[in-house]
Amino acid sequence: NAGVTQTPKFQVLKTGQSMTLQCAQDMNHEYMSWYRQDPGMGLRLIHYSVGAGITDQGEVPNGYNVSRSTTEDFPLRLLSAAPSQTSVYFCASSERDEQFFGPGTRLTVL
Amino acid sequence: GQQLNQSPQSMFIQEGEDVSMNCTSSSIFNTWLWYKQDPGEGPVLLIALYKAGELTSNGRLTAQFGITRKDSFLNISASIPSDVGIYFCAGQGGGSNYKLTFGKGTLLTVNP
Repeated sequence: NAGVTQTPKFQVLKTGQSMTLQCAQDMNHEYMSWYRQDPGMGLRLIHYSVGAGITDQGEVPNGYNVSRSTTEDFPLRLLSAAPSQTSVYFCASSERDEQFFGPGTRLTVL
Repeated sequence: GQQLNQSPQSMFIQEGEDVSMNCTSSSIFNTWLWYKQDPGEGPVLLIALYKAGELTSNGRLTAQFGITRKDSFLNISASIPSDVGIYFCAGQGGGSNYKLTFGKGTLLTVNP
């Protein structure tokens, strides 16, 4: 099993550009989530999904969209990137409380 | 929303020393988790606690779920250089959505 995979590993965007961060898991987990990690702030929940077709907002959802068309994939979309979205983004999946994290995407918005 | 206070923020210790860190919350949690993050990697689950008062070990790591359900601690015994990293606590407050609240992390440095 590959576990949780994320692409790309690194990305640089200009302000106003859009992009999609990809996340996939092969553990057949129902629950998936996106976090951002900033220095001194820990991990903050952006959006989460409890199953295909069901998504909900987390703590810091503004500027991000998600969809969950399959159990395996949970992409995160930035519609118009802003410098405040410079961060490291982690995707996680779980069957219950024990979430497994991907390796992260380091995003810089200039 | 729920918040976790994790302390200390950072620790500098000598190889072989024991380490202790803890998390406290103003809210009750049903599950406590401890993660470790190596530089450039995603967090990795170390220990999961599901019952108030539970004490669980994983090698040199020991964690406890506080009896009030509002705190948890993690001990590392006989530290080694590869223990270096950021340690996060996380709590799950119940319900079916499995949302976790994370502490801000403890940065551990081990001097060989």
